[in-house]
Amino acid sequence: TQLLEQSPQFLSIQEGENLTVYCNSSSVFSSLQWYRQEPGEGPVLLVTVVTGGEVKKLKRLTFQFGDARKDSSLHITAAQPGDTGLYLCAGRAGSARQLTFGSGTQLTVLP
Amino acid sequence: DVKVTQSSRYLVKRTGEKVFLECVQDMDHENMFWYRQDPGLGLRLIYFSYDVKMKEKGDIPEGYSVSREKKERFSLILESASTNQTSMYLCASRRDYEQYFGPGTRLTVT
Repeated sequence: TQLLEQSPQFLSIQEGENLTVYCNSSSVFSSLQWYRQEPGEGPVLLVTVVTGGEVKKLKRLTFQFGDARKDSSLHITAAQPGDTGLYLCAGRAGSARQLTFGSGTQLTVLP
Repeated sequence: DVKVTQSSRYLVKRTGEKVFLECVQDMDHENMFWYRQDPGLGLRLIYFSYDVKMKEKGDIPEGYSVSREKKERFSLILESASTNQTSMYLCASRRDYEQYFGPGTRLTVT
């Protein structure tokens, strides 16, 4: 069974601060996605990474896939209240049909 | 844009009722999924389908069934709703790497 561990579980920061969320596993994933979910809504796909060492940027968000494809990080620069939400990582192991989801990081950015 | 729609955003049903939750995707994706999401338990996979009329059990299939008669539509059925099935239900579809979710259905069983 593949497991994805996210840390931290909760994060509360002031507007303008930087933060990093981690997603770690002992398993190798062929791809990894990051989602953001707001209360009462479905998760929204932010990015997909598929190559070891890959770095993708989405405005103030930077996503990195580990060289061994076992871990990933999400870095937010100068966080804003609009970044508040539940961040989920999800990985696909090999040709598995279903994704493995992390437990999520609840981010609160205070104005 | 990929679009996954769910038939209801909010639903209130009584114990013992049969409940249908429908999901439609417009991107010709082969794979479709039903999850439930509960505080402290994260996303849990109920059932998924990788082709029309094909289905596989996920991690928590008990008390649920599914139907996929057409590629774009995947239905979740609660044969006899119980209070422990009160939850947020999320449908998703995927082809290759990217999986997209619908807006969710908040089901309350009283």
